[in-house]
Amino acid sequence: DAVMTQSPLSLPVTLGQPASISCRSSQSLVYSDGNTYLNWFHQRPGQSPRHLIYEVSKRDSGVPDRFSGSGSGTDFTLRISRVEAEDVGVYFCMQGTHWPYTFGQGTKLEIK
Amino acid sequence: EVQLVESGGGLVQPGRSLRLSCAGSGFTFDENAMHWVRQVPGKGLEWVAGILWHGWIGYADSVRGRFIISRDNVKNSLYLQMNSLRPEDTALYYCGKDMRPGDLYSWGQGTLVTVSS
Repeated sequence: DAVMTQSPLSLPVTLGQPASISCRSSQSLVYSDGNTYLNWFHQRPGQSPRHLIYEVSKRDSGVPDRFSGSGSGTDFTLRISRVEAEDVGVYFCMQGTHWPYTFGQGTKLEIK
Repeated sequence: EVQLVESGGGLVQPGRSLRLSCAGSGFTFDENAMHWVRQVPGKGLEWVAGILWHGWIGYADSVRGRFIISRDNVKNSLYLQMNSLRPEDTALYYCGKDMRPGDLYSWGQGTLVTVSS
């Protein structure tokens, strides 16, 4: 199974400042069709996860452009250019290249 | 609007069975891969099982041989038959669907399963 490792697990950030979360896979996430099925989710307390980014860097409709994804192969990053209050919660990466799908442990973003 | 509504959770004794259901609406059900994902409250997410539109199925190692995922494309429903339940299966179970290969775009609100004597 592809083990997904996120860091940091806790991320205190000042409002308006940038934030960055790393996600590393134990194996390449490049599928045989050439695509890389790496996703990012945001979960607020008491809510279901919300899908933010697919295929490493493609934002879903309605996701603010302050969110960006990057990376390739086994190393990936989610960046928030300027953190807003509504961004608090837990961020998860998930790979959909290999079955079983696997998630990172989650990174809890909080406001300092 | 896409809606996924899970049901069937509850309190069950170890070793017993439970069947979860997920009713989908607002999309063409038989065109999407469907998944079950669970989360112990306050903890991380664990993918449990998935079924592609053509019926190909996969399971997490932790549930393989005990859980069975199935779908009824006529009823727009997804199911999870959970047998030989263990206390470590206690979690909120989410139903999810993809929008594109390899993603989990839409999620239900979850149904809570508690395995305890």
